[in-house]
Amino acid sequence: GAVVSQHPSRVICKSGTSVKIECRSLDFQATTMFWYRQFPKQSLMLMATSNEGSKATYEQGVEKDKFLINHASLTLSTLTVTSAHPEDSSFYICSANRASEGAETQYFGPGTRLLVL
Amino acid sequence: GNSVTQMEGPVTLSEEAFLTINCTYTATGYPSLFWYVQYPGEGLQLLLKATKADDKGSNKGFEATYRKETTSFHLEKGSVQVSDSAVYFCALKGGGNKLTFGTGTQLKVEL
Repeated sequence: GAVVSQHPSRVICKSGTSVKIECRSLDFQATTMFWYRQFPKQSLMLMATSNEGSKATYEQGVEKDKFLINHASLTLSTLTVTSAHPEDSSFYICSANRASEGAETQYFGPGTRLLVL
Repeated sequence: GNSVTQMEGPVTLSEEAFLTINCTYTATGYPSLFWYVQYPGEGLQLLLKATKADDKGSNKGFEATYRKETTSFHLEKGSVQVSDSAVYFCALKGGGNKLTFGTGTQLKVEL
């Protein structure tokens, strides 16, 4: 199978600090990775799409300077929440897919719960 | 824009009961439709899909039929098991590479 991991699974930080979340494809090369955000009892909202070696494409309304995405290799993408505030508290989920498969075949990580105090 | 509406949970059923989770969508053109499942502590997994009207997706005893006339893609299973307890997400993919998800429906199956 295709496994995607996220680290950390849960993080608590103080307001004003930055938090980095890692997303790794463990047994395949991910040409495209996606970052989602999920609020309680709401659907997954796509934040950005990143392709290896190029800048991420952000969805409308997502601040690219606040949510920094780096996709430096075919197996790793990182999301950094800069100067985090309590309203950034959420569940962040990444997914990845292979070039040979369509977007529906996204392999999802288990998610990272961020709590900003 | 595209949107997906699915029934709120949690849905609680006894083992071997019949399951229906409703899903309707709004989209331009002819989207592909999907059901994803998320087991506790794990990432979302593709459960089944249908790419055109009247197609039926099926997997692990679950089925869903793409109904263009009613813009629906309801998930069904004839006899649920405790191991089916999870959160189920309906989703669509229109033009481009993006998935649009519903809010998820939690299913609890009890002995």
